Amino acid sequence: DTGVSQNPRHKITKRGQNVTFRCDPISEHNRLYWYRQTLGQGPEFLTYFQNEAQLEKSRLLSDRFSAERPKGSFSTLEIQRTEQGDSAMYLCASSTSGSPNEQFFGPGTRLTVL
Amino acid sequence: AQKVTQAQTEISVVEKEDVTLDCVYETRDTTYYLFWYKQPPSGELVFLIRRNSFDEQNEISGRYSWNFQKSTSSFNFTITASQVVDSAVYFCALKVYQLIWGAGTKLIIKP
Repeated sequence: DTGVSQNPRHKITKRGQNVTFRCDPISEHNRLYWYRQTLGQGPEFLTYFQNEAQLEKSRLLSDRFSAERPKGSFSTLEIQRTEQGDSAMYLCASSTSGSPNEQFFGPGTRLTVL
Repeated sequence: AQKVTQAQTEISVVEKEDVTLDCVYETRDTTYYLFWYKQPPSGELVFLIRRNSFDEQNEISGRYSWNFQKSTSSFNFTITASQVVDSAVYFCALKVYQLIWGAGTKLIIKP
């Protein structure tokens, strides 16, 4: 079991550019979650998938954010036209559907928008 | 609406002292789960414990113990005989539908 992995670990971009992050969940986990965490705060829920279906998306999530999980395995999170306020740690977690959100987290991708 | 409050922003103690991290939650639902996670300086969140709303038994795991009291909507976490390696940010979270997180408590254990 290799755990949840995320790439890249760090991303620096200029305002207005698009960025894409990848998350590889634990192989037997069918649920995958994306969170955003800013300094001094707890994670903020963005969206989650069960297999390839995106079942919930936060109302706070801008239309510039989109996530996919095309084959029910890895997932990508894309942010279009990045803004300085998007700077944060983006966390991915996975779980089985039978375990009530005992989520296992990846190391995160730290995004800095200049 | 659900909410989790961790009123202690930062706690600093000397090694071997006992320390309690407070967590107060709000929900109108009768079925929910409570969690504690640890986030060390490396950044990766580590699951510590899950409790469902129907199980008020306290739990002890080594130097860690948790006190769940529905009457006060609290789920406090105590570390006994703290060690430097316990230094981290600790998050309490509530799940009804999705995880709702507290702001975390930064715990500093001084040698």
